[in-house]
Amino acid sequence: NAGVTQTPKFQVLKTGQSMTLQCAQDMNHNSMYWYRQDPGMGLRLIYYSASEGTTDKGEVPNGYNVSRLNKREFSLRLESAAPSQTSVYFCASKGRYSYNEQFFGPGTRLTVL
Amino acid sequence: GENGEQHPSTLSVQEGDSAVIKCTYSDSASNYFPWYKQELGKRPQLIIDIRSNVGEKKDQRIAVTLNKTAKHFSLHITETQPEDSAVYFCAASITGNTGKLIFGQGTTLQVKP
Repeated sequence: NAGVTQTPKFQVLKTGQSMTLQCAQDMNHNSMYWYRQDPGMGLRLIYYSASEGTTDKGEVPNGYNVSRLNKREFSLRLESAAPSQTSVYFCASKGRYSYNEQFFGPGTRLTVL
Repeated sequence: GENGEQHPSTLSVQEGDSAVIKCTYSDSASNYFPWYKQELGKRPQLIIDIRSNVGEKKDQRIAVTLNKTAKHFSLHITETQPEDSAVYFCAASITGNTGKLIFGQGTTLQVKP
């Protein structure tokens, strides 16, 4: 099992450009999450999907959109990138119970110039 | 913000000493408290977790204690080794069945040989 995979690993954008970060998991998990990680600020939740077909905003959703394409895949889209979105983005997935572990992907390092 | 409080932000110890990291949470309904370790450039990985129905859990050199009354929990690492050097994040579950976690800001632990 590959666990949680993310593409791309690195990306540089110019202000105003758009892009989609891809995430997939092969653990048959119901819930999937997108976080951003900035120095000194821990992991902040952008959007999550508790189950296939549902998505909800997290703590910092502005400037992002998501799509839960199917049970395996959960993508994050930046429609018009801004320098404030320079960050490391992690996708995670979790089984059905609240005490189940969240498994993280390897991350995408995004720089917006 | 919604992040839990985590202290200290940096911690430097000599190899063989103990390290303690503390976190507080605000949601009295939180029932799951994981700790993640993140090495430089890597993804966060779960090292230990505790559910609200127990007060302490131990796994070799790592232990977690939970005080529900005071709403705080702590990570204890004994006999520290250089490979314990990393950033450690606490997290607490949020009310509801979404599996959402609120993360602390992180503690950078340096173990000096």
